[in-house]
Amino acid sequence: GDSVTQMEGPVTLSEEAFLTINCTYTATGYPSLFWYVQYPGEGLQLLLKATKADDKGSNKGFEATYRKETTSFHLEKGSVQVSDSAVYFCALSSYSGAGSYQLTFGKGTKLSVIP
Amino acid sequence: NAGVTQTPKFRVLKTGQSMTLLCAQDMNHEYMYWYRQDPGMGLRLIHYSVGEGTTAKGEVPDGYNVSRLKKQNFLLGLESAAPSQTSVYFCASSPPGQPKLFFGSGTQLSVL
Repeated sequence: GDSVTQMEGPVTLSEEAFLTINCTYTATGYPSLFWYVQYPGEGLQLLLKATKADDKGSNKGFEATYRKETTSFHLEKGSVQVSDSAVYFCALSSYSGAGSYQLTFGKGTKLSVIP
Repeated sequence: NAGVTQTPKFRVLKTGQSMTLLCAQDMNHEYMYWYRQDPGMGLRLIHYSVGEGTTAKGEVPDGYNVSRLKKQNFLLGLESAAPSQTSVYFCASSPPGQPKLFFGSGTQLSVL
């Protein structure tokens, strides 16, 4: 079945440091790929997405490129802020019939940014 | 601008008790989902629904039942709670044909 593997945390960075969170996937077909973010005490929010190979998703300074050849979708940000402290989830969607999609999530990576 | 609303936000149960978690969405979405989130496990799909009156099993359905009597509501029931069901439960919804999910803020459930 489909699966998502992302780097284990927690990750602690100083403000303005460069961030990379690795994500690789296994899937049949051509899934769409997502990064979701969960701030403390809240539900998950979509951060960015890419729907086909070589697409780059971007939002709030975060970027990720859909790499079919390496089955990867690594999340990057050039300069993190304290407000970026959250748990980040990589996910893929697969079509499950009748117009519905199911998301498969990675286990999440907790990021803490210190001033 | 409510989006997806879950009630209650917190609950403590004793083993064997029953309860129902309510999810309501005001975006007229066809699809709704229940996930559980456990440390080191990410999110796992319990049940989902592709429309009013329909439900389907996800990855971890045992011990749970669901109902979708109205399009805007998706109920998750625990008939006889067990400590293994201690978790944070998230409801989500999505429009048809789009894999983007909108999540509620979660329900923290503890079963003693």
